Amino acid sequence: GAVVSQHPSRVICKSGTSVKIECRSLDFQATTMFWYRQFPKQSLMLMATSNEGSKATYEQGVEKDKFLINHASLTLSTLTVTSAHPEDSSFYICSAHRDTSSYEQYFGPGTRLTVT
Amino acid sequence: AQKITQTQPGMFVQEKEAVTLDCTYDTSDPSYGLFWYKQPSSGEMIFLIYQGSYDQQNATEGRYSLNFQKARKSANLVISASQLGDSAMYFCAMRERGYSTLTFGKGTMLLVSP
Repeated sequence: GAVVSQHPSRVICKSGTSVKIECRSLDFQATTMFWYRQFPKQSLMLMATSNEGSKATYEQGVEKDKFLINHASLTLSTLTVTSAHPEDSSFYICSAHRDTSSYEQYFGPGTRLTVT
Repeated sequence: AQKITQTQPGMFVQEKEAVTLDCTYDTSDPSYGLFWYKQPSSGEMIFLIYQGSYDQQNATEGRYSLNFQKARKSANLVISASQLGDSAMYFCAMRERGYSTLTFGKGTMLLVSP
C-alpha cells in the first residue's frame, strides 16, 4: 500500500519560534497533498490543499502567512508554523492523493506540536 | 449545515458483539464517495472502507461493512465480532465530485470491553 511519512512525530518549541513539518509520500508521487489540524477530542479540520509547483489553497479562516505550505516536489510537502503560539499546539496530519482518479487519500502518522 | 453528521459521541460494545456506527450526509452532488476511518490513540488515520454513490452493493472489507441507504443519505459502519483492538475513534467522511478534499464528521469513540 501507499505510505506517507511525517517528520517530526513530536515537536516542542518555544513561543515565537517557527517549526517546519515535513510530509513525504514514500512509494508514490502525490499530485495533491492536504494538511489537517486536529484539536484533542475533535475532528480533522482541513487547513489547506497543495499541488506540486503551485500555491496552496487555504481554507477559510486559516492564516496563510502563519501556516506556510510548500509543495516543492511530487513527494514532499512542508508546513511551517511561523511565530508559533501556545494556541497553535495541536496535532497536524497530512495526506496525499496518488492521482486525481483515485478516491483514496493516504494519511501520514501525524505530528504533535506543543508550543510552550 | 453539516455535511457529515455522526450523532453518537460514544459507543460501548462487548467483545465479539456487532456494533453499528451511524453516519448521515448531505450533498446535492449525484457523484460522491463515503469513507470510514479509524483513529486509535496513536493518532494515525486508518482507512477502513469506501462506498461510491453509484455502487450497487454495500461495501465490505473483512469485519467491516457499510450499510449504504442512499435515499436516506446514511452510510452506517457495521463492525462484526468486535475486538478489543477496535477501541478507537471512528470518523465518517465524504468526498464530492469535483472536490479532492474530504469532509469529516465529528467522530464516534468506540470502546470495546472484555
